[in-house]
Amino acid sequence: EDKVVQSPLSLVVHEGDTVTLNCSYEVTNFRSLLWYKQEKKAPTFLFMLTSSGIEKKSGRLSSILDKKELSSILNITATQTGDSAIYLCAVEGTQGGSEKLVFGKGTKLTVNP
Amino acid sequence: GAGVSQSPRYKVAKRGQDVALRCDPISGHVSLFWYQQALGQGPEFLTYFQNEAQLDKSGLPSDRFFAERPEGSVSTLKIQRTQQEDSAVYLCASSLWPGAYEQYFGPGTRLTVT
Repeated sequence: EDKVVQSPLSLVVHEGDTVTLNCSYEVTNFRSLLWYKQEKKAPTFLFMLTSSGIEKKSGRLSSILDKKELSSILNITATQTGDSAIYLCAVEGTQGGSEKLVFGKGTKLTVNP
Repeated sequence: GAGVSQSPRYKVAKRGQDVALRCDPISGHVSLFWYQQALGQGPEFLTYFQNEAQLDKSGLPSDRFFAERPEGSVSTLKIQRTQQEDSAVYLCASSLWPGAYEQYFGPGTRLTVT
């Protein structure tokens, strides 16, 4: 059964700190790994990773995939209070022809001023 | 439309009632997904449509759950004889075509069964 594990489950930091969020996975026929940010309701897309070792970057956020270790990290530098959210990691396999995403439980990040 | 929309945003149902949750995907998106998110958990897959065809319903928790997308656009998730364990946020997502990785999520419907 496909599985995604995120750590830590929650994290409290001060503005300006750098954080690293972890995601490990087991999936049949891996296709991609995605990171989402969920503030209130709808998860919003951050990154999609398919190739190992290639860093994706958007402003203060960056992410990289390690297919050998079946894991990914999401880094946020110079955190701001607006970064407070739940960060979800999801993987997509191609089992049974479905493109469903399997999500982890998320990491709840709180950034204090 | 500009994004995925869902209605109602909130629904309170008494145990045993039937409910219907609506999803309007982004116009032209072929793939549509339903997820259930319990408090403190990540979203869990329920079912997947490609146009009007329901290709995967392996995540539906019981035969009380039924989903349809008759014309390949709007989708409805119906829950019959609701139970307290059905209380959750129901998220709909769409993607442009099969094989497009990015799924765009709607705001969800928060269902509370009393």
